[in-house]
Amino acid sequence: DARVTQTPRHKVTEMGQEVTMRCQPILGHNTVFWYRQTMMQGLELLAYFRNRAPLDDSGMPKDRFSAEMPDATLATLKIQPSEPRDSAVYFCASGLGQRIGNGYTFGSGTRLTVV
Amino acid sequence: GENVGLHLPTLSVQEGDNSIINCAYSNSASDYFIWYKQESGKGPQFIIDIRSNMDKRQGQRVTVLLNKTVKHLSLQIAATQPGDSAVYFCAENQPGANNLFFGTGTRLTVIP
Repeated sequence: DARVTQTPRHKVTEMGQEVTMRCQPILGHNTVFWYRQTMMQGLELLAYFRNRAPLDDSGMPKDRFSAEMPDATLATLKIQPSEPRDSAVYFCASGLGQRIGNGYTFGSGTRLTVV
Repeated sequence: GENVGLHLPTLSVQEGDNSIINCAYSNSASDYFIWYKQESGKGPQFIIDIRSNMDKRQGQRVTVLLNKTVKHLSLQIAATQPGDSAVYFCAENQPGANNLFFGTGTRLTVIP
């Protein structure tokens, strides 16, 4: 089965440190979403890309978060500096087509803990 | 995955029974709905979807019902199995929007 691969699976870091999360979308998929999951807010959209171009990053705190797709096989989400409130599980999902839904696959997430 | 934990609605069913998980969605303009299953340590997994021009859709052991009048969605799982234990999320999407709005989730526990 084709999978979306996220690394690292777990990350513990100190407040103020830079964190980079990586996502390898399924080969051939042209759209990548980043979601964050917390106990309080549930699943929230942070950003998404189509054909490597950012289409919407309105859900992302701009002062500390940045998302990029250096190439079609890699999406990155960076937090600098990290804060304890960033502790969450970060998921990426990839797929084809205009609307996220059937045909989109989520990765297993990166669990981030900022202490 | 980090499921919404302490305040999740929960449903416990006996193995072999049918399960019904309910969801109230928020936006009357939503025209596309999805049910996801999330097991511990994993991302959401697509189960079934339905568009607003339908009120029922069936898959393998699962049925989704949509009531647009009261903005209600349900997921029925037939002959529930231990492997069905997970958190289930409904999600809604509006025309022209490339975002899914997820509900808070329901934790289903299947008792062997």
